[in-house]
Amino acid sequence: QVQLQESGPGLVKPSQTLSLTCTVSGGSVSSGGHYWSWIRQHPGKGLEWIGYIYYSGSTYYNPSLKSRVTISIDTSKNQFSLKLSSVTAADTAVYYCARVVVGTTSFDYWGQGTLVTVSS
Amino acid sequence: DIQMTQSPSSLTASVGDRVTITCRASQSISRNLNWYQQKAGKAPKLLIYDASSLQSGVPSRFSGSGSGTDFTLTISSLQPADFATYFCQESYSPPWTFGQGTKVEIK
Repeated sequence: QVQLQESGPGLVKPSQTLSLTCTVSGGSVSSGGHYWSWIRQHPGKGLEWIGYIYYSGSTYYNPSLKSRVTISIDTSKNQFSLKLSSVTAADTAVYYCARVVVGTTSFDYWGQGTLVTVSS
Repeated sequence: DIQMTQSPSSLTASVGDRVTITCRASQSISRNLNWYQQKAGKAPKLLIYDASSLQSGVPSRFSGSGSGTDFTLTISSLQPADFATYFCQESYSPPWTFGQGTKVEIK
């Protein structure tokens, strides 16, 4: 059973960089059939896709966040990470990591989510 | 970006009812449409992919249909475990977008 777990600070100051890591167990981030993705959900709102990374290191970011987002992968640790720079209160959200099936582009496994609050 | 619009935003139903949720895309997305269920405080769970394929382990009372711009998620006989919020997601072209959600509540 594939499991994903987000980790990182729950509180980030405005203008700083949000950093989260997703640790994958029961599966490998080096598998060729999957992308590894980040999604966020503002409190009480819908879902916003942030971007994905492939095991090769290729990435695709949501244009709405592209200038501030970096997703990286560490195959030796079976982890992938998110960095979001210059955060504001509008970046307060629950952040999820998820596995994406390449053929269907469906998010088939998700982490439990972690709330990140941007506040001074 | 492709805009996904769900209707209704919420509905109230009883156990045993047949429930239908609609998702409309702002342009044709063929059958590149997925459905998720989210319970309060939990991550979304994949129910249906490619418009009508049931994800492994999902009860057969869930079904999906549609193509082009109009899609439907149907729950044939609503069960207590089904009270949740449902989201559609287009998988036609990135940035992948989600509908705003449909909350299914108990009557």
